[in-house]
Amino acid sequence: GIQVEQSPPDLILQEGANSTLRCNFSDSVNNLQWFHQNPWGQLINLFYIPSGTKQNGRLSATTVATERYSLLYISSSQTTDSGVYFCAVERQETSGSRLTFGEGTQLTVNP
Amino acid sequence: GAGVSQSPRYKVTKRGQDVALRCDPISGHVSLYWYRQALGQGPEFLTYFNYEAQQDKSGLPNDRFSAERPEGSISTLTIQRTEQRDSAMYRCASSPGTSGYEQYFGPGTRLTVT
Repeated sequence: GIQVEQSPPDLILQEGANSTLRCNFSDSVNNLQWFHQNPWGQLINLFYIPSGTKQNGRLSATTVATERYSLLYISSSQTTDSGVYFCAVERQETSGSRLTFGEGTQLTVNP
Repeated sequence: GAGVSQSPRYKVTKRGQDVALRCDPISGHVSLYWYRQALGQGPEFLTYFNYEAQQDKSGLPNDRFSAERPEGSISTLTIQRTEQRDSAMYRCASSPGTSGYEQYFGPGTRLTVT
């Protein structure tokens, strides 16, 4: 199956700092999503981004499908950004549309 | 509109009992997925449906696990003769199309088997 690797596994920031999270995947994909799992366990959709660049407020994401990686940028981080960030991909194949998740990046933003 | 809903949100059961977990997808969504998430890990695929047809159940860990979506809307994941290793967060997701579409997740059911 497809492999998804996220880095770094853990990240501690001071409020106001910027950060970049990376997701590498091992095969062609037709879906890539970034999620934020908050401390209450909710899995929140951040971006649907199989290719290209998107921005939403302080967050932006870029996927370079030909090089099999995606980046999530968080600017001016806030304590509410704390939680686990997951990258998930759907392999480009004729059948099956499961998402395969990475292990996540645990982000802690301190006041 | 309403998102994906799941019930119950929390379930504590004794080893050996059967449990049924319910998922109500976003209205009109064609595809429905079940995932399981252990503590400290990302969700892992269990099974999925397009309309009422179960397309892939290769992620179900053993034959104690089954799922159905008889009318192409609400789905039930059933675990028979629960074991402690079944304790996890069970997540449901839906998407408007059958492949390559964004998946939207529900709040999950936290299952604890004692």
